[in-house]
Amino acid sequence: AQTVTQSQPEMSVQEAETVTLSCTYDTSESDYYLFWYKQPPSRQMILVIRQEAYKQQNATENRFSVNFQKAAKSFSLKISDSQLGDAAMYFCAYRSDFGNEKLTFGTGTRLTIIP
Amino acid sequence: EAQVTQNPRYLITVTGKKLTVTCSQNMNHEYMSWYRQDPGLGLRQIYYSMNVEVTDKGDVPEGYKVSRKEKRNFPLILESPSPNQTSLYFCASMGDSYEQYFGPGTRLTVT
Repeated sequence: AQTVTQSQPEMSVQEAETVTLSCTYDTSESDYYLFWYKQPPSRQMILVIRQEAYKQQNATENRFSVNFQKAAKSFSLKISDSQLGDAAMYFCAYRSDFGNEKLTFGTGTRLTIIP
Repeated sequence: EAQVTQNPRYLITVTGKKLTVTCSQNMNHEYMSWYRQDPGLGLRQIYYSMNVEVTDKGDVPEGYKVSRKEKRNFPLILESPSPNQTSLYFCASMGDSYEQYFGPGTRLTVT
């Protein structure tokens, strides 16, 4: 079974600075997808960024980018120019390309933005 | 607007009183799923459905039932709720884009 580990329960960053959230995963599969979801106080789950394992190029979405290291099974999220609205719980998630297309989530990292 | 809706958003009930949480999506997605979120555990899949009349267990199915009689609806049924089912529940659906769309969540408290 796949597992996803987020080793940083809490992180904080000064507004306008850059922060990196860590995620590692364990799988024996070669084809899969990785995601970062944001959960603000409203509890809504919002997709931040997605990475296909077959793509070597790291995904970027505006101020959000990932560092995908397939051999190391690492998938970190970098947030540049942090804004107050980035304050939230962030979840890393894995999805297999086969069978049940469930998302396997990490335990989350709570990000605080310091004004 | 493409969306997944859940009702109710908040529910407080007592042990053993049957309840249903409804989930509906308007995107014609074949895949739907239920997750529960607990502090320190992230989200875990309860049940999923690949299409109408096709459902299967996820990682934590004990104490739950589901049905998929129509493509758009995927209700979660707790026939005899217990306090350990107090949690935040999410319904999700997925189409061809590989993105799972989540509902707004249902906060359930069982006393």
